[in-house]
Amino acid sequence: SQQGEEDPQALSIQEGENATMNCSYKTSINNLQWYRQNSGRGLVHLILIRSNEREKHSGRLRVTLDTSKKSSSLLITASRAADTASYFCATDSLSNYKLTFGKGTLLTVNP
Amino acid sequence: KAGVTQTPRYLIKTRGQQVTLSCSPISGHRSVSWYQQTPGQGLQFLFEYFSETQRNKGNFPGRFSGRQFSNSRSEMNVSTLELGDSALYLCASSLDVISGNTIYFGEGSWLTVV
Repeated sequence: SQQGEEDPQALSIQEGENATMNCSYKTSINNLQWYRQNSGRGLVHLILIRSNEREKHSGRLRVTLDTSKKSSSLLITASRAADTASYFCATDSLSNYKLTFGKGTLLTVNP
Repeated sequence: KAGVTQTPRYLIKTRGQQVTLSCSPISGHRSVSWYQQTPGQGLQFLFEYFSETQRNKGNFPGRFSGRQFSNSRSEMNVSTLELGDSALYLCASSLDVISGNTIYFGEGSWLTVV
């Protein structure tokens, strides 16, 4: 079953604009990770945020986590055509030894 | 440092056959997990191994099995293939899938069942 739900399902923006994707989940989590997937390829890890953290930055990426609302957001600033991909959030919880993924957001950055 | 390596990258099998997929984790990683990705169901967890022990298994039929060797390399096997088994199979490795460790994925094995 899917734990996370990304919103929106698809997002189309122009190069240079910011892109925000949201993820909601249902049960308590230990960590939340964001991944990128280019068409037909594997998942590339972007950022991990722990349940006791509220915000993390990595380059042009900013992730927030609100455990009271069971939601997270991924912001990509100054987007580039190369950012075109599907983005997934994945959660894990103590002792179930797995990631549970949402259905992903397809981001298209137009040059 | 080499990433997660999966072989083969692409394969085509006939219904009823069986298939074995291989995964070499990042050096030093003891946890290996497998996921199935399809357009309809998205990313679904298959199983996780740590030091040769299966710690969790997803909701898949018994035709799906796996194992982990003492060098942490892992294989998964699907017997009596069905058309619906066509998918991208992804392997992931980490130091441990809990405790806040980053989980890294391979490029996947594309399986087509005809």
